Amino acid sequence: NAGVTQTPKFQVLKTGQSMTLQCAQDMNHEYMSWYRQDPGMGLRLIHYSVGAGITDQGEVPNGYNVSRSTTEDFPLRLLSAAPSQTSVYFCATNRGDRNSPLHFGNGTRLTVT
Amino acid sequence: EDQVTQSPEALRLQEGESSSLNCSYTVSGLRGLFWYRQDPGKGPEFLFTLYSAGEEKEKERLKATLTKKESFLHITAPKPEDSATYLCAVQAAGQGAQKLVFGQGTRLTINP
Repeated sequence: NAGVTQTPKFQVLKTGQSMTLQCAQDMNHEYMSWYRQDPGMGLRLIHYSVGAGITDQGEVPNGYNVSRSTTEDFPLRLLSAAPSQTSVYFCATNRGDRNSPLHFGNGTRLTVT
Repeated sequence: EDQVTQSPEALRLQEGESSSLNCSYTVSGLRGLFWYRQDPGKGPEFLFTLYSAGEEKEKERLKATLTKKESFLHITAPKPEDSATYLCAVQAAGQGAQKLVFGQGTRLTINP
């Protein structure tokens, strides 16, 4: 039972390159979300999904794209990477009800040069 | 705007030296306050949820309390394995359970 799996663990991109951060869960949770973590700042919500086929923007969505075709997977796409997107990215899942805390993956550390 | 502020930023204690971490919040109606533990290179790990002022929850050497403006994470007789960054987050009324507002965290180091 892996929980929430994120790949890759580390990635270096040049400005303008594109890439997809993968997130897969085996917890059968309806809700999935992407957060970024930067030094001195709290985790900030990028995009989230309340079920397959449904996505919405969080606090900092610009420069990122998501889709949710299955319950298990929620990839995050960077279409044209910028140095401001250097960060650690966390995928999280939960059931969506009040008593269901977020379960996080171990993150992808992204550096954009 | 919903905000969460944690203090101190960093705290260094000797093994067995009890202390408290603070989480102050302003939110338009609190639906839940969450505490997480984060180890280096790992994702946050859930500890507690508190829902209303006066509520307390305990787990081993940790106890979380909640008032209308802040939450405290009390650490009693800590051990080196309690060293981690502790994160506080709030869920505002009317927001989904995935939409949390996080504080910056308190980095706790316990020296043997």
